[in-house]
Amino acid sequence: AQTVTQSQPEMSVQEAETVTLSCTYDTSESNYYLFWYKQPPSRQMILVIRQEAYKQQNATENRFSVNFQKAAKSFSLKISDSQLGDTAMYFCAFMKSNNDMRFGAGTRLTVKP
Amino acid sequence: DAMVIQNPRYQVTQFGKPVTLSCSQTLNHNVMYWYQQKSSQAPKLLFHYYDKDFNNEADTPDNFQSRRPNTSFCFLDIRSPGLGDAAMYLCATSSAGTGDTDTQYFGPGTRLTVL
Repeated sequence: AQTVTQSQPEMSVQEAETVTLSCTYDTSESNYYLFWYKQPPSRQMILVIRQEAYKQQNATENRFSVNFQKAAKSFSLKISDSQLGDTAMYFCAFMKSNNDMRFGAGTRLTVKP
Repeated sequence: DAMVIQNPRYQVTQFGKPVTLSCSQTLNHNVMYWYQQKSSQAPKLLFHYYDKDFNNEADTPDNFQSRRPNTSFCFLDIRSPGLGDAAMYLCATSSAGTGDTDTQYFGPGTRLTVL
């Protein structure tokens, strides 16, 4: 079974600074997908960024980028120039090709003014 | 805008009284999912439909059932809700076979309270 581990239950960062959220996973699969989802307080879960395991290049979406280390089974999220609106619960997720997605326990990020 | 819609947003039911939650989507996605998310926890997949094919997670209680009458709609039926079933229920969709394959798009959720 696949497991996803987010070792940081809570983190905080000052506005405009950079923060990195950690995620590791365990799988024997070679082909899979990784995601970071953001869930603001009382609001909808939205996709932040995704990475296909077969791609060596790290995904980037504006201020969000990942450091994907396939051999180490690590998938961290870096948020640059943090904004107050980035305050949310962040979930790392792993999915095999059969649409079975597993979430980590989440990291609660607070951006402080 | 194309989206995933869940109704109602808040549902209160009594212990043991059947309840149905609904999800609809305008994305024309062929895969629909139901997740249960308890307070401060990660979403847990209950089951999903790949087109009309139903895929149940091994640890999903029999108390939970699902129906997908057409591509756009999917229902979650809780036959006899217990206090432990109080949670946020999230519906998600994805499209297999496109460039955006496997990205799941979530609805706003239905928060279920069991009295």
